[in-house]
Amino acid sequence: KAGVTQTPRYLIKTRGQQVTLSCSPISGHRSVSWYQQTPGQGLQFLFEYFSETQRNKGNFPGRFSGRQFSNSRSEMNVSTLELGDSALYLCASSLGQGWSGELFFGEGSRLTVL
Amino acid sequence: AQRVTQPEKLLSVFKGAPVELKCNYSYSGSPELFWYVQYSRQRLQLLLRHISRESIKGFTADLNKGETSFHLKKPFAQEEDSAMYYCALMSSNQFYFGTGTSLTVIP
Repeated sequence: KAGVTQTPRYLIKTRGQQVTLSCSPISGHRSVSWYQQTPGQGLQFLFEYFSETQRNKGNFPGRFSGRQFSNSRSEMNVSTLELGDSALYLCASSLGQGWSGELFFGEGSRLTVL
Repeated sequence: AQRVTQPEKLLSVFKGAPVELKCNYSYSGSPELFWYVQYSRQRLQLLLRHISRESIKGFTADLNKGETSFHLKKPFAQEEDSAMYYCALMSSNQFYFGTGTSLTVIP
């Protein structure tokens, strides 16, 4: 079974630009959640999608948005990038319903904002 | 509000010594708690969950509702246990992670 795939793995942007990150979940998983990982803050929850609907949203500004497609693939977008957005963005997939709570993580997309 | 606290950013122990990684939580209901681990150059993965009461790689974690703690323990640390450990709480399909503890086992 293929794992969670995130693209791109690395990217460099400048302040003010926007970025789109992609996540392909494990086949059969209907839930995709996104996290921002930084050395000082650990993992911070961004949002979670289940069957194309956003079920939960973390405490991030509106510049951070996401969506999920009918094949469960998900994208997150960050507009008007700031230096503080530099981080590793992790995607995790799960069954999302009647499940044991196990999240399956991708390798992450490392974003550097200059 | 839900919160997970891991007071130690860094923890070093000698091989063969006991290890305990601390986790405290705040949650008004019955919590579902987990430990996730990230080994060097590997993905973050589930280590154990409190509902299954299992021992994985020699690690155990007991939920103490009175102290609102879910500490991770292992009686004899091994070098391969060196990793980043995250305690997490799940509520309404949303996970709240602690800031993590980096464990180094000294040979």
